[in-house]
Amino acid sequence: DIQMTQSPSSLSASVGDRVTITCRTSQAISNSLAWFQQKPGKAPKSLIYGASSLQRGVPSKFSGSGSGTEFTLSISSLQPEDFATYYCQQYYTYPYTFGQGTKLEIK
Amino acid sequence: EVQLVESGGGLVQPGGSLRLSCAASGFTFNVYNMNWVRQAPGKGLEWVSYIGTTSAIYYADSVKGRFTISRDNAKNSLYLQMNSLRVEDTAVYYCASATDPYKYDISGQWGRGTLVTVSS
Repeated sequence: DIQMTQSPSSLSASVGDRVTITCRTSQAISNSLAWFQQKPGKAPKSLIYGASSLQRGVPSKFSGSGSGTEFTLSISSLQPEDFATYYCQQYYTYPYTFGQGTKLEIK
Repeated sequence: EVQLVESGGGLVQPGGSLRLSCAASGFTFNVYNMNWVRQAPGKGLEWVSYIGTTSAIYYADSVKGRFTISRDNAKNSLYLQMNSLRVEDTAVYYCASATDPYKYDISGQWGRGTLVTVSS
């Protein structure tokens, strides 16, 4: 199975900040990587697929990059609604696997 | 409106069975690959199973031999038959589609989930 390592596991930031979350995979997955945002009690929401393609309706403050084994999700100009847990996920091969999550909290 | 709505969750004893359903609407269901993903209370996301447009099927090792995924394109529905349930299967179960027809990601539509609790 492909192991996913997200860092950091938690992150404290202020409104207006820019943050970056990293996801590393145990083997190369080309660009078959997605990012999700999840708020408490809600279903995950897709942000990015294909490592860098913005999902329809997602604001451009979210951006993804990377290929192979290292990927990043960047969020600019943090707003209160952006504080949530973020997951990366590979769909290069089965079983699909998720990172352990990064909890983004307000400083 | 594109929508996925799960149902069938509930409380079941260890060793019991449950069948989850996912009703799709607002898109051409038969050209989308579909998945089940679960989330145990307070834990992260875990992919459970995939069924493709041509009925290719994959399972996570944790459920292989106990869960069966299926789809009925005439009813625009996805199913997950869960047998020999264990306490560790307790989770919210989500159905999720790919972003576009015939694609393999799970970044399309997600349902709100249905809670399965396995406890004596």
